[in-house]
Amino acid sequence: AQSVTQPDIHITVSEGASLELRCNYSYGATPYLFWYVQSPGQGLQLLLKYFSGDTLVQGIKGFEAEFKRSQSSFNLRKPSVHWSDAAEYFCAVGTYNAGNMLTFGGGTRLMVKP
Amino acid sequence: DVKVTQSSRYLVKRTGEKVFLECVQDMDHENMFWYRQDPGLGLRLIYFSYDVKMKEKGDIPEGYSVSREKKERFSLILESASTNQTSMYLCASATGDWEQYFGPGTRLTVT
Repeated sequence: AQSVTQPDIHITVSEGASLELRCNYSYGATPYLFWYVQSPGQGLQLLLKYFSGDTLVQGIKGFEAEFKRSQSSFNLRKPSVHWSDAAEYFCAVGTYNAGNMLTFGGGTRLMVKP
Repeated sequence: DVKVTQSSRYLVKRTGEKVFLECVQDMDHENMFWYRQDPGLGLRLIYFSYDVKMKEKGDIPEGYSVSREKKERFSLILESASTNQTSMYLCASATGDWEQYFGPGTRLTVT
């Protein structure tokens, strides 16, 4: 069965610093991979997705993620964090089924210091 | 603009009550989902539906049921609420291209 691990429950970075959020997945076939963000009091919003092709994927709000098959990872990065990036971030793997289900990681809560 | 709405943002119910959580999407999506979100556990799928009157169990269906009588509406039912069902409940909808659109969530407290 598929699974997703986000090793860091909380991360604090200073505004303007770079950011990397880790995601490792377990899935037998070629994965479909996603990053979502949840701002306080809101639902989840899709940041980016990887289906195939170029392993470096660009998303919204200046985020990018790199798929590394050999490491079963799909880490999210941003070169310079803004205070508005403080939120919870979820990595997910998609499995084909009736309904195209997603399996989510436990989430990483990002705090941004001024 | 894509919109998924949930009937309540906050709900407080007593143990043993029957609870209905409603979700409506205006995008004509075939697929709809109910998740619960708990700290450190991420989102866990309760049920999903890929068509009207069709439903499939997710990872944690025990204690829940669902209803989808119309394409735009997907209801989650707690037949007899228990304190361990206190959680944030998120509804989502999707077409066949994987991107799921989420509602704002309902924070349910069972006392």
